[in-house]
Amino acid sequence: KAGVTQTPRYLIKTRGQQVTLSCSPISGHRSVSWYQQTPGQGLQFLFEYFSETQRNKGNFPGRFSGRQFSNSRSEMNVSTLELGDSALYLCASNGGTGEAFFGQGTRLTVV
Amino acid sequence: KQEVTQIPAALSVPEGENLVLNCSFTDSAIYNLQWFRQDPGKGLTSLLLIQSSQREQTSGRLNASLDKSSGRSTLYIAASQPGDSATYLCAVNQGGKLIFGQGTELSVKP
Repeated sequence: KAGVTQTPRYLIKTRGQQVTLSCSPISGHRSVSWYQQTPGQGLQFLFEYFSETQRNKGNFPGRFSGRQFSNSRSEMNVSTLELGDSALYLCASNGGTGEAFFGQGTRLTVV
Repeated sequence: KQEVTQIPAALSVPEGENLVLNCSFTDSAIYNLQWFRQDPGKGLTSLLLIQSSQREQTSGRLNASLDKSSGRSTLYIAASQPGDSATYLCAVNQGGKLIFGQGTELSVKP
């Protein structure tokens, strides 16, 4: 059974640009959550999608948005990038047991 | 507001030692608690999940306990090996979102 797949693995963007990250959950999992990991703040919850609906949202500005498709794949978009958005972005899928399974992450560097 | 604390922040032990990592949380209204391992620059690997109604879970050399009333969980690693070197994170699940501690960086010396 394939795990959680995140693409791309690495990204370098310039301030002011926008970026889209992708996450494919484990087959059969309908919940996808996104997290930001930085050395200073640790792991912070961004949002959760379930059956194409945003079910939970963390305390991030509106520049951070997401969506989920009918096949449960999810995308996260960050507009007007700032230097402080440089981080490891992690996606997790959950099949209803409460256990979260994480992907390898996308390392975003904003220059 | 839920806060999760992990002690110690870093730990260095010789190979073969048994060790305990600690996790505490301020709000006992949790759905479950999960322990993860993270290698540098990588994603999180799930180690153990304890539902809120459970007291402990075991997997191989790992044993995790949960005491909701006191807001504590421990991860016990038996007979540590150099391959156990990584950052260990605990996370509580509240309303579908995970709230993480800052992690314990473990180094096991050969």
